Amino acid sequence: EIVLTQSPATLSLSPGDRATLSCRASQSIRTYLAWYQQRPGQAPRLLIYDASNRATGIPARFSGSGSGTDFTLTISSLEPEDFAVYYCQQRINWPPLTFGGGTKVEIK
Amino acid sequence: QVQLVESGGGVVQPGRSLRLSCAASGFTFTNYGMHWVRQAPGKGLEWVAMIWEDGSNEYFADSVKGRFTISRDDAKNTVYLQMNSLRAEDTAIYFCARDFSDVLMVLDLWGQGTLVTVSS
Repeated sequence: EIVLTQSPATLSLSPGDRATLSCRASQSIRTYLAWYQQRPGQAPRLLIYDASNRATGIPARFSGSGSGTDFTLTISSLEPEDFAVYYCQQRINWPPLTFGGGTKVEIK
Repeated sequence: QVQLVESGGGVVQPGRSLRLSCAASGFTFTNYGMHWVRQAPGKGLEWVAMIWEDGSNEYFADSVKGRFTISRDDAKNTVYLQMNSLRAEDTAIYFCARDFSDVLMVLDLWGQGTLVTVSS
């Protein structure tokens, strides 16, 4: 089973700041990584698939990069609605699909 | 509109059973595989099960294999999760999610979830 490790666990930033979230895989997953956002009390929402492809309707301030074992989700300028928990997920080796433990982006 | 709506959650005693439903609308259900994902209180996401768009294959997490089954009724645009021999550690919000048709094993549409509490 592929293990995904996200860091940091919590990121304290202000609106307008740039956010950089990391996801590391226990073995190469090529570019088969997705990112999801989960706001409090809501369901997850797909942001990015295959490392760098934005899902439909996702603003351009969200971008993804990486390949192999190291991946990054960048939010170029935080909007109030971006304070949430972010999860990465791999799809190269399944079952099971596996998720990272999440990074919470909180208001500083 | 395009949506998934889960139902069937509740409080159940350990060892008992529960069936969750997920009703899809606004899209051609038969074109999509479907997943269940759960989230224990205050915890992260855990994938539970998946069924192919034609129902030909099913996959399960080891933690539920042999206790949970997944099925679909295309006439009702509904996917089900039958949960047997429930344990305290199955307590979670259960989300259903659609498999992205362009890219397998990416979850592009999620329901709001239904809470299952396993407690005596």
